[in-house]
Amino acid sequence: GAGVSQSPSNKVTEKGKDVELRCDPISGHTALYWYRQRLGQGLEFLIYFQGNSAPDKSGLPSDRFSAERTGESVSTLTIQRTQQEDSAVYLCASSLSSGKVYEQYFGPGTRLTVT
Amino acid sequence: LAKTTQPISMDSYEGQEVNITCSHNNIATNDYITWYQQFPSQGPRFIIQGYKTKVTNEVASLFIPADRKSSTLSLPRVSLSDTAVYYCLVVLSGNTPLVFGKGTRLSVIA
Repeated sequence: GAGVSQSPSNKVTEKGKDVELRCDPISGHTALYWYRQRLGQGLEFLIYFQGNSAPDKSGLPSDRFSAERTGESVSTLTIQRTQQEDSAVYLCASSLSSGKVYEQYFGPGTRLTVT
Repeated sequence: LAKTTQPISMDSYEGQEVNITCSHNNIATNDYITWYQQFPSQGPRFIIQGYKTKVTNEVASLFIPADRKSSTLSLPRVSLSDTAVYYCLVVLSGNTPLVFGKGTRLSVIA
């Protein structure tokens, strides 16, 4: 079946512009996560959705970052007034919400470059 | 959250068995040990998960001693396509954010 998809795959934007990144999770996965990965680094957690609610926003680095999820499916991560330090790969993952299944399925990521 | 420590990099020749050890000294009773693999320009992919003793699947084996303060991921007979970054994580439950370190960069040489 279809995996997690993300769009765009690459985004180049000018400093100060707003960007929207999209994630389509696997159908039926109620949990959705956003992570950020800087070059050569491990993944950094940003925000977690269970259904439409976000019980954990602790990883959002500043108030320029926000995310929403509608209909227990698509999620968008918005970065306002982008800065050069926002340049990274933004990864989305989804997982089943029940049982001891600790497997998160990751999308291919969106590579954001802020010039 | 339990912190993990693993080697930054490892090299291996094709056909060899590779063992990557991870330390997690402050692992909690309800934590599970999970390993992910990440190829360049891709998102991480789940490899294996265990609680204690030994777990084996079609990709790897995971060895966990009785004190659970460390674990070893074993990849049998690696090939060039196993070149990737391997992350050891300690996970409390199925719905918690994953905490990734820098992982171990495995390079397989022909």
